[in-house]
Amino acid sequence: DSGVTQTPKHLITATGQRVTLRCSPRSGDLSVYWYQQSLDQGLQFLIQYYNGEERAKGNILERFSAQQFPDLHSELNLSSLELGDSALYFCASSPKRSSYNEQFFGPGTRLTVL
Amino acid sequence: EDQVTQSPEALRLQEGESSSLNCSYTVSGLRGLFWYRQDPGKGPEFLFTLYSAGEEKEKERLEATLTKKESFLHITAPKPEDSATYLCAVQLDFGNEKLTFGTGTRLTIIP
Repeated sequence: DSGVTQTPKHLITATGQRVTLRCSPRSGDLSVYWYQQSLDQGLQFLIQYYNGEERAKGNILERFSAQQFPDLHSELNLSSLELGDSALYFCASSPKRSSYNEQFFGPGTRLTVL
Repeated sequence: EDQVTQSPEALRLQEGESSSLNCSYTVSGLRGLFWYRQDPGKGPEFLFTLYSAGEEKEKERLEATLTKKESFLHITAPKPEDSATYLCAVQLDFGNEKLTFGTGTRLTIIP
């Protein structure tokens, strides 16, 4: 158990819909990262937040957005869903102060778009 | 373009048969190389961080090493419970802290 929690575990929805994925980082971790894992793409970085501020963006679609709240939990919002958005979405967090910056991953949310 | 390549894609070993997994990278400015283990449908589990060429880390039956162009994950006398996908990822020296992952090696240990 990494200490990172994600809800829900599974999400089944239809094309065109909007969903919200939630992540709680490990206690004391200020950075939260979101990754997408699909069969053909592997693990791809989407976005990073640090202490409430967006810090870095990766291959995140405009239909996707995220935020980090004052209690440091984060939400990933996916809208106008397409079949190709079906994937595992992982959240990771990293230590508050570390020169090593290991990222610890949550159990993921499996999104299925029908 | 920064790239991380893992080989082989899949590896089947008999229990007790040692072997190595490879991760080669072409990046400009490596801050760190990370190894993770991932079981089907689960989140990646952190194993090791390596920062400089020549560095070695050990954990149970696993040993990770780093050179200037690649990293090896050696597994000694593996057991069936070592079956998983092993992922390597790099973090660059400058810019953001994202991890760039390879596609992984799917390891199966046959009893």
